[in-house]
Amino acid sequence: SAVISQKPSRDICQRGTSLTIQCQVDSQVTMMFWYRQQPGQSLTLIATANQGSEATYESGFVIDKFPISRPNLTFSTLTVSNMSPEDSSIYLCSVARVAEAFFGQGTRLTVV
Amino acid sequence: GNSVTQMEGPVTLSEEAFLTINCTYTATGYPSLFWYVQYPGEGLQLLLKATKADDKGSNKGFEATYRKETTSFHLEKGSVQVSDSAVYFCALSPYSGGGADGLTFGKGTHLIIQP
Repeated sequence: SAVISQKPSRDICQRGTSLTIQCQVDSQVTMMFWYRQQPGQSLTLIATANQGSEATYESGFVIDKFPISRPNLTFSTLTVSNMSPEDSSIYLCSVARVAEAFFGQGTRLTVV
Repeated sequence: GNSVTQMEGPVTLSEEAFLTINCTYTATGYPSLFWYVQYPGEGLQLLLKATKADDKGSNKGFEATYRKETTSFHLEKGSVQVSDSAVYFCALSPYSGGGADGLTFGKGTHLIIQP
């Protein structure tokens, strides 16, 4: 199994500002994943973060808007930059181990 | 690309009723299929999975069979309980054998069980 801690659990931010979300895993993993869950919508994969290389972004997501860091095998951050109300979502960190994906509790972001 | 379609809720049932939540998918190759559940106030957790055609995943009285001919993975339970109230997500991975990297999710089905 894997235990994932995400911080902050929620935040209310002003438009135009940036928020960095932290994800800590209790053991080393090669890949970490960031998802977004917009209100009433499914989870959508934003990017895959590998340690020691640039993150790989899915269609519709760009590094300038969602920069990701992966400084070691147990930690990653996702920044939501220049926020607008459309960025209000739950952001989730995930890792995969032995055919099972594990998720953090999520960060509920509200942009006003 | 890959996609997952599941019935939208909320689905409201009485305790001990039979449950079916439909899930169909579109994918190339041989994906692995999953059901995840999110109980109120908790994070997503794996409920069951199937990694190849005709596999049946089961857990906590829930079952789902990987039907390649109908590209479906419907979730069923014979007798639901109030504690089953949660949001259920169908998901696929493009990797056969159960790799859970980079999942594609359905929109989720909110299940409400009334006593």
